[in-house]
Amino acid sequence: EVQLVQSGAEVKKPGESLKISCKASGYSFTSYWIGWVRQMPGKGLEWMGIIYPGDSDTRYSPSFQGQVTISADKSISTAYLQWSSLKASDTAMYYCARRLGYCSGGSCNNWFDPWGQGTLVTVSS
Amino acid sequence: QSVLTQPPSVSGAPGQRVTISCTGSSSNIGAGYDVHWYQQLPGTAPQLLIYGNTNRPSGVPDRFSGSKSGTSASLAITGLQAEDEADYYCQSYDSTLSGSYVFGTGTKVTVL
Repeated sequence: EVQLVQSGAEVKKPGESLKISCKASGYSFTSYWIGWVRQMPGKGLEWMGIIYPGDSDTRYSPSFQGQVTISADKSISTAYLQWSSLKASDTAMYYCARRLGYCSGGSCNNWFDPWGQGTLVTVSS
Repeated sequence: QSVLTQPPSVSGAPGQRVTISCTGSSSNIGAGYDVHWYQQLPGTAPQLLIYGNTNRPSGVPDRFSGSKSGTSASLAITGLQAEDEADYYCQSYDSTLSGSYVFGTGTKVTVL
């Protein structure tokens, strides 16, 4: 069974750093891109960025470029999302998801399946 | 940030048919990129419902169907059931946002 299992909920103070994880199982981790999606309280889904664990090629949404860092450790089939200095506005649920579909000539038809269960990050003083 | 627009809410009685629209532009749906749909049950992670405009993953009931035309797409739920009460999101690819994936604004389906 293809599965993505995320790390547990975090409560942090503004200015602190954080790294959350997404462990993959049931498929070849290095062969599929993994994306991260933010969902702020009561709001919709926002695509943050994506990484190809095979060579760590990473792409970011313009809205999140410079705000977070996405990485992966293929030796343990785990992707990461990290912040160097959290803000209260980073309070949200964060999901990882495997990308399926294809890209050709710079354009893509991709969807995300499965999704991790989510990691709730709360930033409060 | 959402560039795909959905109605905030739709409702219907059990057994009825409801549709959810997803309106984009010439840089995403209108450019020919596929539309995909996700269902998010209360308190859970999103789950893939429709991919490639019209395809249902294994295990998704055939009550759910998708279509696409021009710069819009639609999700239809026929024979509405209480368990279908959830948030639904469309998703596509946008060529103008540094090659970003984009989600719709989301629609809450209420079963009356």
